[in-house]
Amino acid sequence: GAVVSQHPSWVICKSGTSVKIECRSLDFQATTMFWYRQFPKQSLMLMATSNEGSKATYEQGVEKDKFLINHASLTLSTLTVTSAHPEDSSFYICSARFSSGAVYEQYFGPGTRLTVT
Amino acid sequence: TQLLEQSPQFLSIQEGENLTVYCNSSSVFSSLQWYRQEPGEGPVLLVTVVTGGEVKKLKRLTFQFGDARKDSSLHITAAQPGDTGLYLCAAGAGSYQLTFGKGTKLSVIP
Repeated sequence: GAVVSQHPSWVICKSGTSVKIECRSLDFQATTMFWYRQFPKQSLMLMATSNEGSKATYEQGVEKDKFLINHASLTLSTLTVTSAHPEDSSFYICSARFSSGAVYEQYFGPGTRLTVT
Repeated sequence: TQLLEQSPQFLSIQEGENLTVYCNSSSVFSSLQWYRQEPGEGPVLLVTVVTGGEVKKLKRLTFQFGDARKDSSLHITAAQPGDTGLYLCAAGAGSYQLTFGKGTKLSVIP
C-alpha cells in the first residue's frame, strides 16, 4: 500500500509558541491531503483539506489563522499550529488521497502527539 | 451530510470467538473502506469495497458491501489479541472527502 509519513511523531512545546508538523507521501504523489484531529477515545475529526498549489479548505469551526496549512509540493503538506495553547494538545493525523481508477482511498500517517504546556 | 453509523460502539470478546461489526447509512456510496487503528497510531487501510454485494476476505477478516451500497459488515473469525483496536468505516459518495464512522472499539481478551 501507499506510505505516508509524519514528522515529528511527538512534540512538547510551551504555550504561545508555534509548532510545524510535516506530512509526506513517500511513494506516490498526492494533490490532496487531509488533516485530522483526534481526541482520546474518539473518532477522527477533519480539520482541513490541503490542495497542492492552492489554499486549504477548512472545516467549520477550525480557525484558519491558527492552523496554517501549506501544500507546496505533490508530496508534502505542513500544518503549523500557531500560538499554541494547552487546549490545542491533541493527536494530529494527516492522510493523503490516492486514486486507483475511479476509486479514491486515503492513506494515513502515523500521527503526531502534540502536548502544549 | 452523510452519516455512517457503526455498531456496536464497544465490543469485548474472548480469544477464539467470532464477531461482526456493522457500518450503516441511509446514503448510497460509491466505495467504502475499513480501517483499523491502534492506540497512538494512524489508521491503517484494511480493504476497499466498491461493488454492491461484494465480499472480500483478508485472512480471518471478511468484508461485505451491501447490495444497495448503503451498508457494510466486517466479520472476524477466531479473534486474536492482535485484532484489538478501533475499527473505522469510511465512505465516499463522490470522489473527494471520506465520511468516517465513529468506530467500533474491539478488545480481544487472551
